[in-house]
Amino acid sequence: AQSVTQLDSQVPVFEEAPVELRCNYSSSVSVYLFWYVQYPNQGLQLLLKYLSGSTLVKGINGFEAEFNKSQTSFHLRKPSVHISDTAEYFCAVSRSGGFKTIFGAGTRLFVKA
Amino acid sequence: EAGVVQSPRYKIIEKKQPVAFWCNPISGHNTLYWYLQNLGQGPELLIRYENEEAVDDSQLPKDRFSAERLKGVDSTLKIQPAELGDSAVYLCASSRGETGELFFGEGSRLTVL
Repeated sequence: AQSVTQLDSQVPVFEEAPVELRCNYSSSVSVYLFWYVQYPNQGLQLLLKYLSGSTLVKGINGFEAEFNKSQTSFHLRKPSVHISDTAEYFCAVSRSGGFKTIFGAGTRLFVKA
Repeated sequence: EAGVVQSPRYKIIEKKQPVAFWCNPISGHNTLYWYLQNLGQGPELLIRYENEEAVDDSQLPKDRFSAERLKGVDSTLKIQPAELGDSAVYLCASSRGETGELFFGEGSRLTVL
């Protein structure tokens, strides 16, 4: 069975500082990996995805993530955050070729001025 | 391209009353999902449709929850009777292909009093 662990429930950070949101997964088969963002009172939207190929994936809004197969991690990073990045971030995994996506519990990123 | 549309956005009902949520997926997306999101948690799959067929409803509490997607396009999720513990956000998502990338609606927030 697959599972996703987001290691931090909340991450406070000052504006223009770098941030890393951590995600580890467990799976016995090849997976697709995703990061979604959820702004207050909205649905989730895709930030970036890893399907295959380069392990460094770039997404929208300046975010990037690196797939590390040996550590089964997919950490999300941004070199300089903005107030507008304040939101809930979800790491997710689905089995390659499958449709069942498992989400982590989420990390609340709070950017302070 | 229009996104996933859900209604109502908010619903407040007394316990034991019925409630229904409606979802219209992105045009051309054959796969439709209903997710449950409790406060402070990630989405959890309730049911997945491929066209009009429910292919994964293992997490749907069938004693009180039901869903349909009669023509393989829009879908309705019903709860009857609602319980206090059903208070949550009900998210609809759709996808195309096998990459697992999901497109979410804004959600329907249910409060059961």
